[in-house]
Amino acid sequence: SAVISQKPSRDICQRGTSLTIQCQVDSQVTMMFWYRQQPGQSLTLIATANQGSEATYESGFVIDKFPISRPNLTFSTLTVSNMSPEDSSIYLCSVVVQGRADTQYFGPGTRLTVL
Amino acid sequence: KNQVEQSPQSLIILEGKNCTLQCNYTVSPFSNLRWYKQDTGRGPVSLTIMTFSENTKSNGRYTATLDADTKQSSLHITASQLSDSASYICVVSAPSGTYKYIFGTGTRLKVLA
Repeated sequence: SAVISQKPSRDICQRGTSLTIQCQVDSQVTMMFWYRQQPGQSLTLIATANQGSEATYESGFVIDKFPISRPNLTFSTLTVSNMSPEDSSIYLCSVVVQGRADTQYFGPGTRLTVL
Repeated sequence: KNQVEQSPQSLIILEGKNCTLQCNYTVSPFSNLRWYKQDTGRGPVSLTIMTFSENTKSNGRYTATLDADTKQSSLHITASQLSDSASYICVVSAPSGTYKYIFGTGTRLKVLA
């Protein structure tokens, strides 16, 4: 399995500001993903974080709004830029462990509220 | 289009009772089907994982079944506890190596004392 930590666990931010969320895994992983979960909804994939290169974004998500870094195999950051109240969500980091291609693990999530 | 649908959307039961959650999918072919439990404000935690060749998988009071012919899965919770109150999400994985995961919308379960 993989133990995933996220920081911060929650935050309340003002409109127009940016927040960077960190994801740290205790082992090397093949894939890292960032999801958003709006209130009462299921998870929506934002992007796949690629080590050493630009992330791969899903339709409806762009790099300018959600820049992502992944400098190594165990760490990634997601920035929510120029926030608006519509960005209030839980943001989840997820990983696939090397050798376990079909098993996805999730971090505890970051609960973001934008005022 | 690959879809995963869950029912009911929400469910309220009394502590000690059993319940069954449903998951219908159109993903084909698929690698495996997983059930997750998500407590409010937390990340999903895996309960069971089944490949297309498995019919049932248990994890304590949780038992998942899979019928690959009808593309249906169910999660049965036995002797429910207050701590079972959570959302339960069905996730179907596309073939191994594609890293494509299709999420259901979840069933929100509330267990009352």
